[in-house]
Amino acid sequence: QKEVEQNSGPLSVPEGAIASLNCTYSDRGSQSFFWYRQYSGKSPELIMFIYSNGDKEDGRFTAQLNKASQYVSLLIRDSQPSDSATYLCAVKGAGNNRKLIWGLGTSLAVNP
Amino acid sequence: GAGVSQSPRYKVTKRGQDVALRCDPISGHVSLYWYRQALGQGPEFLTYFNYEAQQDKSGLPNDRFSAERPEGSISTLTIQRTEQRDSAMYRCASSETSGRETQYFGPGTRLLVL
Repeated sequence: QKEVEQNSGPLSVPEGAIASLNCTYSDRGSQSFFWYRQYSGKSPELIMFIYSNGDKEDGRFTAQLNKASQYVSLLIRDSQPSDSATYLCAVKGAGNNRKLIWGLGTSLAVNP
Repeated sequence: GAGVSQSPRYKVTKRGQDVALRCDPISGHVSLYWYRQALGQGPEFLTYFNYEAQQDKSGLPNDRFSAERPEGSISTLTIQRTEQRDSAMYRCASSETSGRETQYFGPGTRLLVL
């Protein structure tokens, strides 16, 4: 079982819709959770991080964390064509090791 | 510097040659990470440093791969006796020591082994 799992997609949504991206992780002691966006041919860039159970909102983006279910999601409201990219989920495990475990990414296409 | 920089941006080498990839992190960032990323995949962890100390090298594929950060700033990832399967994008990232592990990525080095 891979430590961080994401649906590879592609996920296709119409412009203006809500895009929902999901990620599950296997290490129950994981502490920190990150969503990165990666455009084709570019480096990953941080969108949001979340540490506590519940929701965290930043503009059109909402991260949701449920540690009991070992599940973290990213919602993108009012999706725009410019949101079309691969979304990577990354998880920091328990302890002092700063290593992040990465999912394979979900490809999102927002259709005008 | 303003961001993480990596050099060279592209490297073409012949099988069996050694290559050295350089990473210059954001000024003041304590932690530095090396990843390898295949097309259509997420980053694959290789190793990371806090200051000059290599904290975790569990992701290095074999003993042909090594990394150093002798003065706690610039880091070099060296691949000896390169093989075609080493061809990939090699990415470097850095983070602060505030306890929040947000990592900022450089542009990457595209390595092609012929």
